[in-house]
Amino acid sequence: AQKVTQAQTEISVVEKEDVTLDCVYETRDTTYYLFWYKQPPSGELVFLIRRNSFDEQNEISGRYSWNFQKSTSSFNFTITASQVVDSAVYFCALSPTIYNQGGKLIFGQGTELSVKP
Amino acid sequence: DADVTQTPRNRITKTGKRIMLECSQTKGHDRMYWYRQDPGLGLRLIYYSFDVKDINKGEISDGYSVSRQAQAKFSLSLESAIPNQTALYFCATSMGLAGYNEQFFGPGTRLTVL
Repeated sequence: AQKVTQAQTEISVVEKEDVTLDCVYETRDTTYYLFWYKQPPSGELVFLIRRNSFDEQNEISGRYSWNFQKSTSSFNFTITASQVVDSAVYFCALSPTIYNQGGKLIFGQGTELSVKP
Repeated sequence: DADVTQTPRNRITKTGKRIMLECSQTKGHDRMYWYRQDPGLGLRLIYYSFDVKDINKGEISDGYSVSRQAQAKFSLSLESAIPNQTALYFCATSMGLAGYNEQFFGPGTRLTVL
């Protein structure tokens, strides 16, 4: 089965705190892609990152960092020194195979992050 | 101008009515998708299209139909709307090889079926 689980439905932090959003996925494919999207209160979906299954190197982009661990089937997202503007719903998604012709994305349930001033 | 547009942005309709949601893109992508978002369920795929002549069902296609009028246009229809189709609907596009390419999403259409 192909599945993405974001166990944290809601997280509330105070500005400047670090916060980690968890993502656990299931797939039997050896080749796949993982994504994170952000949905701010305005409703649009914003692409944040793509990671392929062969690249377990962690990635950092400003205050954002991602930790990909195949051994635990996890692709966690950390925001360092959170800001109010980070308040949004964050989705983790799986695209099962590179050759998956549909390019279908399987989304997790989303984690709603609230950053309070 | 937005690369992926959806019309209307909001729609309230009654049970049994036929509704069409439209999506247009200027990105030149060949692949287009329709998703619905429900609270606590994330986004689920309704239909997707590789090109004008290739349309495929997603995981929740019952009660929906689509039309790919041109490379840039992909419409979603609810033939007879029912209240549990109340949701936020997103159109998305991607280029070329699946999985590798991220999908770009439209702004969404909020549909309420009374």
